[in-house]
Amino acid sequence: GQQVMQIPQYQHVQEGEDFTTYCNSSTTLSNIQWYKQRPGGHPVFLIQLVKSGEVKKQKRLTFQFGEAKKNSSLHITATQTTDVGTYFCAGKGNKLVFGAGTILRVKS
Amino acid sequence: GAGVSQSPSNKVTEKGKDVELRCDPISGHTALYWYRQSLGQGLEFLIYFQGNSAPDKSGLPSDRFSAERTGGSVSTLTIQRTQQEDSAVYLCASSPRGRESSYEQYFGPGTRLTVT
Repeated sequence: GQQVMQIPQYQHVQEGEDFTTYCNSSTTLSNIQWYKQRPGGHPVFLIQLVKSGEVKKQKRLTFQFGEAKKNSSLHITATQTTDVGTYFCAGKGNKLVFGAGTILRVKS
Repeated sequence: GAGVSQSPSNKVTEKGKDVELRCDPISGHTALYWYRQSLGQGLEFLIYFQGNSAPDKSGLPSDRFSAERTGGSVSTLTIQRTQQEDSAVYLCASSPRGRESSYEQYFGPGTRLTVT
């Protein structure tokens, strides 16, 4: 069945450093969504990518969808303490499947 | 308008007791999902309702788990004879359309279940 893998599982960075999380699907996706869950909170939708090779930016966050529409990445430039949380991707093949998430911790 | 609401926010129960968790989706949203999240873990899909269609129960971990959605709105997740491994945060999400579409999911605040 459709599987969505996310790496790394956990990353601890110094404030100001960059951070990237990767999402890989076992099947070709029609779109991919990204969510952020703050500690103690619930997942909140960030963005959706639909087109092959699409790149979208939200301030310091850059989202990419691979050419083959099987992988995606989220890159945060110059992390801040407000970026801490778990970042989930969710890939839509026949149905929307969530990755396990990447936990980001930022040392100030 | 109001977002997805869940009740109770916290539930502590003794092993072997039954619990009911409630989800009020956003009005007009036809799709409703239940997930389970253990501490520091990802989202484990449990069950999905879409309109009047038969629910997708493929994620329910055992027959102790069941869910209903009455009138296409409120949903209740029931766990019978709770076990300690059932302790987790149970998240409900709703979406304007079913998962075959590309709509985002709106999550509720979750119910933290602790089985002692």
